[in-house]
Amino acid sequence: GAVVSQHPSWVICKSGTSVKIECRSLDFQATTMFWYRQFPKQSLMLMATSNEGSKATYEQGVEKDKFLINHASLTLSTLTVTSAHPEDSSFYICSAGAGTSGVQETQYFGPGTRLLVL
Amino acid sequence: GESVGLHLPTLSVQEGDNSIINCAYSNSASDYFIWYKQESGKGPQFIIDIRSNMDKRQGQRVTVLLNKTVKHLSLQIAATQPGDSAVYFCAESGTSYGKLTFGQGTILTVHP
Repeated sequence: GAVVSQHPSWVICKSGTSVKIECRSLDFQATTMFWYRQFPKQSLMLMATSNEGSKATYEQGVEKDKFLINHASLTLSTLTVTSAHPEDSSFYICSAGAGTSGVQETQYFGPGTRLLVL
Repeated sequence: GESVGLHLPTLSVQEGDNSIINCAYSNSASDYFIWYKQESGKGPQFIIDIRSNMDKRQGQRVTVLLNKTVKHLSLQIAATQPGDSAVYFCAESGTSYGKLTFGQGTILTVHP
């Protein structure tokens, strides 16, 4: 099946610093990638939709200047949490679509990145 | 926006029993539904999906049932095993291409 990786798997940083998380589709090309955030014992909340070569589309309430998304190629999207604060501590998960553009497609998820901001 | 929700947050079963996990959705425009399994500290794993032109789909040990009349989705796991213990999420997709809305999740615990 389609494999999606994330790096790093976990990160601890000081408040005020920026953290970059990578999401890669390993054996397929993904025109669309999605970024989710999940707090403990809660569901996944979509943060933004990332399309290769264009600006990301952010969900309501998600600060685009704080969560910078770059989708430079068909196999890589990055999420940068800028000026991280303790309330940004969460489990960040990406997913990649493995179908044809314009058709609903199955999303395959990465293993997640645990972020802890001290 | 509209959401997908689960009524039962936890489900405990004995090994070998069949499990049924339910999900209610509110967006009548949803036409694609997926069940995911998430183990602790990991990303969601695709289990099975179904489109709105179907009411039942079977996989290996799993069956998804869709009732569009009452906007209800269920996942049946046959002969549940301890390795099935995880959080199960339903997700739906409507008119926005590829965009998924997740339900709150059900914790399934399988006792040996």
